[in-house]
Amino acid sequence: QVQLVQSGAEVKKPGASVKVSCKASGDTFTLSAIHWVRQAPGQRLEWMGWINAGPGNTKYSQKFQDRVTITRDTSASTVYMELRSLRSEDTAVYYCAKDIYSGGYYHFDYWGQGTLLTVSS
Amino acid sequence: DIQMTQSPSSLSASVGDRVTITCRASQAIETYLNWYQQKPGKTPKLLIYGASSLQSGVPSRFSGSGSGTDFTLTISSLQAEDFAAYFCQQTYSTPLYTFGQGTKLELK
Repeated sequence: QVQLVQSGAEVKKPGASVKVSCKASGDTFTLSAIHWVRQAPGQRLEWMGWINAGPGNTKYSQKFQDRVTITRDTSASTVYMELRSLRSEDTAVYYCAKDIYSGGYYHFDYWGQGTLLTVSS
Repeated sequence: DIQMTQSPSSLSASVGDRVTITCRASQAIETYLNWYQQKPGKTPKLLIYGASSLQSGVPSRFSGSGSGTDFTLTISSLQAEDFAAYFCQQTYSTPLYTFGQGTKLELK
């Protein structure tokens, strides 16, 4: 059974940066692909980016390309998502999620519990 | 990025009703389409993958169809526990998996 445990809620001022962690257990970390998805209050799930935890290659949504960096620490089985130049519109719950390939298709099978980021002056 | 558009954004229905939610992709995605259910304060739960395959443990009143750009999620007979938000997700453009804006299903 895989578990993804995220770091706690954050409050930041506009212009600051935040780094959210996602620790994986119960699976072979380096075989995992971890995605970051955010959800503003009452809004859609928004895919931000992805890291292949073994080789460390990443891919980002065009929307966040200039402001987000996803990294991993294989020794700690942890993935990090850093978002820079924060603005009030970044207030949201941030989720990490692990995908699985099953029946010829990918889907997200495990999710972190979510990290609430509040950006306010 | 592939854009996903769901309709309607919200829907009022009663227990026992048949409900259909639509998802349209900005380009053809074959059948690389998932449906999730999300309840308040919870993480999304997979219902359907590959446009029409029912995830293990999901009640058979849920079904999905479609290919290319147009997809539907149907709940054949609404139960009380089905009132939630529903999201489609495309997994055609690996690994850039975008979501629809969601459909909030409310009790009439």
